[in-house]
Amino acid sequence: NFMLTQPHSVSESPGKTVIISCTRSSGYIANNYVQWYQQRPGSSPTTVIYEDNQRPSGVPDRFSGSIDSSSNSASLTISGLKTEDEADYYCQSYDSSNVVFGGGTKLTVL
Amino acid sequence: EVQLLESGGGLVQPGGSLRLSCAASGFSFSNYAMSWVRQAPGKGLEWVSRISTSGRSTYYADSMQGRFTISRDNSKNTLFLQMNSLRAEDTAVYYCAKSGRLMEAFDIWGQGTMVTVSS
Repeated sequence: NFMLTQPHSVSESPGKTVIISCTRSSGYIANNYVQWYQQRPGSSPTTVIYEDNQRPSGVPDRFSGSIDSSSNSASLTISGLKTEDEADYYCQSYDSSNVVFGGGTKLTVL
Repeated sequence: EVQLLESGGGLVQPGGSLRLSCAASGFSFSNYAMSWVRQAPGKGLEWVSRISTSGRSTYYADSMQGRFTISRDNSKNTLFLQMNSLRAEDTAVYYCAKSGRLMEAFDIWGQGTMVTVSS
């Protein structure tokens, strides 16, 4: 089984841009789509990015996703940070037999 | 409105069993794969199991294989998770999640039901 590694926490000021990385331990990141989920305290997860870089309707275009094959990683970029973006963010991907989540990144907007 | 409503959680002793349910509404339930994902207190998300649209194909995380059984009743728009031989480490919030175009990704999540395994 592969792992997805995320930074434990990141912090940035309102209005700035933050990038959260997600590195796949084995297997090619580009071979299986990556999703990103936002989980605010006390709430269920919601999807902010699916299939590497697609935004569900209702998710602002401040959220974007990308894949970097050279580092075998995915990234979630949030621009124009707002205090409401403060949450845990999880990347997720899969292989032929498993679905794997990253450990989660706590985003603090201060 | 698309909605998933879990139920069946509670306190159970180690070695005991519990059956979770997830009632779906607002979409064509039988057209989508469904999954269970859990989250231990203060921890991250962990995929538990997935079931195909028909229910004929099921998939499990290694640590749940043989102890948990996922099933669905498309006539009642309901997903189930039968959990046997429960351990303290199974204590978590269990979320029901709907797949979208990809079976292995989730576009709608329920509010979760808490399972506590303790004597």
